[in-house]
Amino acid sequence: DVKVTQSSRYLVKRTGEKVFLECVQDMDHENMFWYRQDPGLGLRLIYFSYDVKMKEKGDIPEGYSVSREKKERFSLILESASTNQTSMYLCASTSGLAGITDTQYFGPGTRLTVL
Amino acid sequence: AQSVAQPEDQVNVAEGNPLTVKCTYSVSGNPYLFWYVQYPNRGLQFLLKYITGDNLVKGSYGFEAEFNKSQTSFHLKKPSALVSDSALYFCAVRVHSGGYQKVTFGTGTKLQVIP
Repeated sequence: DVKVTQSSRYLVKRTGEKVFLECVQDMDHENMFWYRQDPGLGLRLIYFSYDVKMKEKGDIPEGYSVSREKKERFSLILESASTNQTSMYLCASTSGLAGITDTQYFGPGTRLTVL
Repeated sequence: AQSVAQPEDQVNVAEGNPLTVKCTYSVSGNPYLFWYVQYPNRGLQFLLKYITGDNLVKGSYGFEAEFNKSQTSFHLKKPSALVSDSALYFCAVRVHSGGYQKVTFGTGTKLQVIP
């Protein structure tokens, strides 16, 4: 079975801190994604990557950056955390170069609170 | 732009009764449609998908969904609800256009199965 792991289940940070969220998948998937999940808004795509060192902006990239130095690892970075970035963050991956028909495999999520 | 709508924030159904969770979509091409389920404090899990072919798709845990092109709908159904089906359900859509396309998720529907 595909396994997607995220470095923390719960995280509490202060406003202005730099925050790193790590995601690792063990199935050699090309495509990886970061979403945030908020009540009433569903999942919104922050960034995705279809190859090592490649990244594409999603729907809400402002205030975030990403890094993909190795195929299995995709990091989300909050350069200066703000309270409106308090949310559940979900990482996902899919196989295939296009990823059109492939299902996404999700990690358990990181619930981030910014005080 | 592609979009997906889940018109009900919450659906309540008695255990043993049939359940339906509604989803409608809007795309400019042929859609690829997905249903995912999220149990409390967990990531999303894949249930089923429609790519092409038979309009009735069968998935995990006894769920099925019917693709209706004329009504642009992809409702999730189960003949007999279980209390353990209580969770948050997300519909998602992708469009095939030759290159990579990100998936768009609905806002989610909370299913409550009452014993």
